[in-house]
Amino acid sequence: EVQLVESGGGLVKPGGSLRLSCAASGFTFSNAWMSWVRQAPGKGLEWVGRIKSKTDGGTTDYAAPVKGRFTISRDDSKNTLYLQMNSLKTEDTAVYYCTTDLEIRAFDIWGQGTMVTVSS
Amino acid sequence: DIQMTQSPSSLSASVGDRVTITCRASQGISSWLAWYQQKPEKAPKSLIYAASSLQSGVPSRFSGSGSGTDFTLTISSLQPEDFATYYCQQYNSYPRTFGPGTKVDIK
Repeated sequence: EVQLVESGGGLVKPGGSLRLSCAASGFTFSNAWMSWVRQAPGKGLEWVGRIKSKTDGGTTDYAAPVKGRFTISRDDSKNTLYLQMNSLKTEDTAVYYCTTDLEIRAFDIWGQGTMVTVSS
Repeated sequence: DIQMTQSPSSLSASVGDRVTITCRASQGISSWLAWYQQKPEKAPKSLIYAASSLQSGVPSRFSGSGSGTDFTLTISSLQPEDFATYYCQQYNSYPRTFGPGTKVDIK
């Protein structure tokens, strides 16, 4: 079964850090470009950033609101995607989803999401 | 960045109705347009990619059309399980951007 499972969410104070993980199974993770997408409570979907496959250079790209604070990485040996979030702000409060980011099929597979709450 | 707009922002419809949602991009994106369905407290689900191609397992009552800047999602006969919020998304370039969503609820 094709699956993405996020973990690592929780409550953190403004200025704090958190690392999210996304475990992949059922497909060739190492070949996949992956993205993170977030959704603030009651709001729409917002793309956070993307990492290419190592074959395609492994480079990252970020949305302006998180650039310089968030870092996406991957461990293909563990079929796991990461999102390191530093200098968190209250406006980063959201459900964070990982998703495959395919050239043709777009965001094909989604995880169930993990909630991040930034509050004092 | 490419801005995505959707209309209407919400609509009320009955089971069996034909429903059409419109999405517009601020610049041409060829056919790099996807549609997602999201139910409350659930992750989005991919319905359509490349403007008109159905993802595997998606019922044929869903269809998409358009290219360039103007796109539509049509549900030919609304079913009870289709009441949800629908988002369009461009993947012509980064940053990937989504429309604000269209909520479809029961009349």
